[in-house]
Amino acid sequence: AQTVTQSQPEMSVQEAETVTLSCTYDTSESDYYLFWYKQPPSRQMILVIRQEAYKQQNATENRFSVNFQKAAKSFSLKISDSQLGDAAMYFCAYTELYNQGGKLIFGQGTELSVKP
Amino acid sequence: NAGVTQTPKFQVLKTGQSMTLQCAQDMNHEYMSWYRQDPGMGLRLIHYSVGAGITDQGEVPNGYNVSRSTTEDFPLRLLSAAPSQTSVYFCASSYTPGTSGQETQYFGPGTRLLVL
Repeated sequence: AQTVTQSQPEMSVQEAETVTLSCTYDTSESDYYLFWYKQPPSRQMILVIRQEAYKQQNATENRFSVNFQKAAKSFSLKISDSQLGDAAMYFCAYTELYNQGGKLIFGQGTELSVKP
Repeated sequence: NAGVTQTPKFQVLKTGQSMTLQCAQDMNHEYMSWYRQDPGMGLRLIHYSVGAGITDQGEVPNGYNVSRSTTEDFPLRLLSAAPSQTSVYFCASSYTPGTSGQETQYFGPGTRLLVL
């Protein structure tokens, strides 16, 4: 069975600095998607970035980028120029390429705080 | 588009009571799913549906029932509420495989349920 692990329950960063959140996963599949979701205090799940496993290039969305290491099954999120609005719970998630039902497997989450 | 909507936002139940959590989407998504979020455990899949009339169990289905009579609606029923079902519940939807963006789940705002 696939699993997703986030080993950092909490992280802290100074405003304008860079922070990296870690995620590892386990799967026997070769084609899949990985995601980072942000959950602010409002509880809304917001998609931050996604990565297709068959693409070697790391995904980037403005200040957010990933370091996807397929062989190591690692998928870290880098937030550059951190802003107060980045403070939230961040979840790493996995889904198979042609999964039935859109099923996501989530990590435990990392609580990110941003210090002014 | 309203996206994915959920009602109610918050509910208090007594042990043994039943209730239905409502979920609707207006994006013509075939796939819909229910997750529960508990502290330190991320989101876990309860039930999912690949289309009207078709449902299946996820990781934690016990105590919950679902049905899918239309593409738009996917209600979650608690038959006899227990304190262990105190959680935040999220509904999500996505496209079917072969559609661009099919792998991205769109989440509702969540329902917070307290069972006393």
